Amino acid sequence: GAGVSQSPSNKVTEKGKDVELRCDPISGHTALYWYRQSLGQGLEFLIYFQGNSAPDKSGLPSDRFSAERTGGSVSTLTIQRTQQEDSAVYLCASSPGGANVLTFGAGSRLTVL
Amino acid sequence: ELKVEQNPLFLSMQEGKNYTIYCNYSTTSDRLYWYRQDPGKSLESLFVLLSNGAVKQEGRLMASLDTKARLSTLHITAAVHDLSATYFCAVDKYGGSQGNLIFGKGTKLSVKP
Repeated sequence: GAGVSQSPSNKVTEKGKDVELRCDPISGHTALYWYRQSLGQGLEFLIYFQGNSAPDKSGLPSDRFSAERTGGSVSTLTIQRTQQEDSAVYLCASSPGGANVLTFGAGSRLTVL
Repeated sequence: ELKVEQNPLFLSMQEGKNYTIYCNYSTTSDRLYWYRQDPGKSLESLFVLLSNGAVKQEGRLMASLDTKARLSTLHITAAVHDLSATYFCAVDKYGGSQGNLIFGKGTKLSVKP
């Protein structure tokens, strides 16, 4: 596609529910990244994919968070048993790989009540 | 652990004035990225600085990199209202080519008439 597409753009859920956030990167981009941006905070790195493998999962805040990427394209970030502190904007980015510039999607705003 | 610090975090300036935003980072890296984020929007790449002494300019913004001092600056010349946004600097987590970027907390710039 023309840009990085994320869905849903907004998600409101109740504490304890599971949520899935989807990222469709730019076609041909092998590298995919998930970041989290909380109110008043900077961007927090979550996970990095090169192809379908995740060489760096070090940013995932707890075992409630997981992500997968299939076919070297679409990625899903899953948050189980959501907590209020999970409320944030989750940003996905992709790049051709290596040290190229990241192109960010518009983000998925998650609100946990 | 890589740390990226920006200052100031908030900047209110009048149109026509000049100012500099500073970005310090704690580990060796030969490249640094600047991004812009408008309210409610995602991040847009501004500059990629790839070597010591690199300088890039786009309109009223000029960025430079001193890898020995681990410092980058973003200089604003004769500010205009359209430059109001949050500016982030970022450094590769491993100082190299994976593209896992660690971001500063951002500098929120407000340009007033």
